[in-house]
Amino acid sequence: GQQLNQSPQSMFIQEGEDVSMNCTSSSIFNTWLWYKQDPGEGPVLLIALYKAGELTSNGRLTAQFGITRKDSFLNISASIPSDVGIYFCAGQLSGGYQKVTFGTGTKLQVIP
Amino acid sequence: DAGVIQSPRHEVTEMGQEVTLRCKPISGHNSLFWYRQTMMRGLELLIYFNNNVPIDDSGMPEDRFSAKMPNASFSTLKIQPSEPRDSAVYFCASRGIRFGDFGAFFGQGTRLTVV
Repeated sequence: GQQLNQSPQSMFIQEGEDVSMNCTSSSIFNTWLWYKQDPGEGPVLLIALYKAGELTSNGRLTAQFGITRKDSFLNISASIPSDVGIYFCAGQLSGGYQKVTFGTGTKLQVIP
Repeated sequence: DAGVIQSPRHEVTEMGQEVTLRCKPISGHNSLFWYRQTMMRGLELLIYFNNNVPIDDSGMPEDRFSAKMPNASFSTLKIQPSEPRDSAVYFCASRGIRFGDFGAFFGQGTRLTVV
């Protein structure tokens, strides 16, 4: 089956620093999604990407849909303490019933 | 909108007991997903429904797990009999493609502990 690997698995950064994380797949997806999960909560959708090569921003977050359609990247600029959490990528195939597959997650810790 | 509502938030039960988790999706959404999250396995898709019909249940661990969606506003995930290895956080999520919304919205989850 499809597998999504995220890297890094975890990271500690200083407040104000920029963050980069990525997600790679063994197969192609038509849609990439990025979620953030706070402790004790469900994942919350941050950004959705629909086209290969697409670059989309949401505030300090920027995500890109890789040209090969097998990867995606998420960047967070000028990190703040509330960015702490687990970030998940998710891939989705279009057509049919659009099953969503989640990545392994990147745990982000921000040091004030 | 109230979002996806799950109940209970926490459940502690003894091994062998039946457990029923409940989910109310966002009104108008036509897809519903049940996920299980553990430290070891991350987020696993158990089953998903489209227009109340189960589409893919290949992620359901074994026959002890069953899920139903009797109508568009309610779904249950049942474990009978429960075992300690079923301890996890179970999430329900819904999605409404016809609204151009390609991302699923998650509930707050049910933390299940089987002792």
